Amino acid sequence: GQNIDQPTEMTATEGAIVQINCTYQTSGFNGLFWYQQHAGEAPTFLSYNVLDGLEEKGRFSSFLSRSKGYSYLLLKELQMKDSASYLCAPMDSNYQLIWGAGTKLIIKP
Amino acid sequence: IAGITQAPTSQILAAGRRMTLRCTQDMRHNAMYWYRQDLGLGLRLIHYSNTAGTTGKGEVPDGYSVSRANTDDFPLTLASAVPSQTSVYFCATKRLAGEAGELFFGEGSRLTVL
Repeated sequence: GQNIDQPTEMTATEGAIVQINCTYQTSGFNGLFWYQQHAGEAPTFLSYNVLDGLEEKGRFSSFLSRSKGYSYLLLKELQMKDSASYLCAPMDSNYQLIWGAGTKLIIKP
Repeated sequence: IAGITQAPTSQILAAGRRMTLRCTQDMRHNAMYWYRQDLGLGLRLIHYSNTAGTTGKGEVPDGYSVSRANTDDFPLTLASAVPSQTSVYFCATKRLAGEAGELFFGEGSRLTVL
């Protein structure tokens, strides 16, 4: 079957670094997406990994290990506006996204 | 630039009533999707359309129907609403169905069925 596992909630301090982990099992694999969703809003695209390794984009980086079925999203220099849910979504062999329940990130001053 | 427009943004509905959620895009994307999002669960695919004139069932299609008469519009109909259909509904698009491309989302429609 298809399964996504990520922590339900994490708390971090403004200015710090946080890593959100995601493990997955899918039928086929066409890359993995991370989306950000603020409360009451639509998800917005953050990153896409299809090859193993780290992709860096400003304060956000995303890592993928296909052999381990594992990804993480790394957020640096945390700001209050980073308080949101972060959705891990691998893409299966039919190019459909399989969504995790999301990790709610709470940033404290 | 509108992107993806969903209507209504919010609706309270009596059980047993028929309801259509509208989704219109101006990005000329081929693929369109309807998801529902419930607390503690990931986005769940209801129906999708890879291109105008075609539709397919997702993970949770029961109680819902869709049509895709043209590229821009992808309405979702609840024939006879039930309380378990209380949810936030998101319409999304992708440039091409068979590619690993980014999904773009509408702002969502919050539906409450009493």
